[in-house]
Amino acid sequence: GAVVSQHPSWVICKSGTSVKIECRSLDFQATTMFWYRQFPKQSLMLMATSNEGSKATYEQGVEKDKFLINHASLTLSTLTVTSAHPEDSSFYICSAKHQETQYFGPGTRLLVL
Amino acid sequence: GQQLNQSPQSMFIQEGEDVSMNCTSSSIFNTWLWYKQDPGEGPVLLIALYKAGELTSNGRLTAQFGITRKDSFLNISASIPSDVGIYFCAGLTQGGSEKLVFGKGMKLTVNP
Repeated sequence: GAVVSQHPSWVICKSGTSVKIECRSLDFQATTMFWYRQFPKQSLMLMATSNEGSKATYEQGVEKDKFLINHASLTLSTLTVTSAHPEDSSFYICSAKHQETQYFGPGTRLLVL
Repeated sequence: GQQLNQSPQSMFIQEGEDVSMNCTSSSIFNTWLWYKQDPGEGPVLLIALYKAGELTSNGRLTAQFGITRKDSFLNISASIPSDVGIYFCAGLTQGGSEKLVFGKGMKLTVNP
């Protein structure tokens, strides 16, 4: 149990385009999901907390207009990287809260050309 | 921001050996979690600890929630090649914050 999926697993896009990443809790409902970014050989960096039915809470230094988060249902949160630039290339990972524990998705590798 | 002190940062061991890693903090935590991350994948939960003093096993893995609530350790016994990866500790602090605080990770290499 407690499985979280992400789609797509990897994406390549041109600079200036927008990319949407989906995070789904497959066998449980999650009122709270989290979006992380991970740079090579580093730990996970929390970008924002996604709450079902309300606005996301962004960490300091994360542009909310750049990284749009929507948590429209108890099993789905989406992260849209708007007007992507090469510096947005990274590994994006979501997690979902379930019984005082966070379960992570498999991650999405984004490459912006 | 707040961070856990995870040590060691890396370990190179022979297959069959045991390995131990720990995390410490100056703050009290209500929950300790241990994750393993393979390259290009998301972290996978290994063990979750919810009570001070709790000792929990999951196969060859054993983890303990320190009695002071400020530390936790993870042991892996009889290591095998597929144990290779990066191990992260993470904790939830008191005060109702839902945000996980992470250690920097320990890279484990197992030589066959």
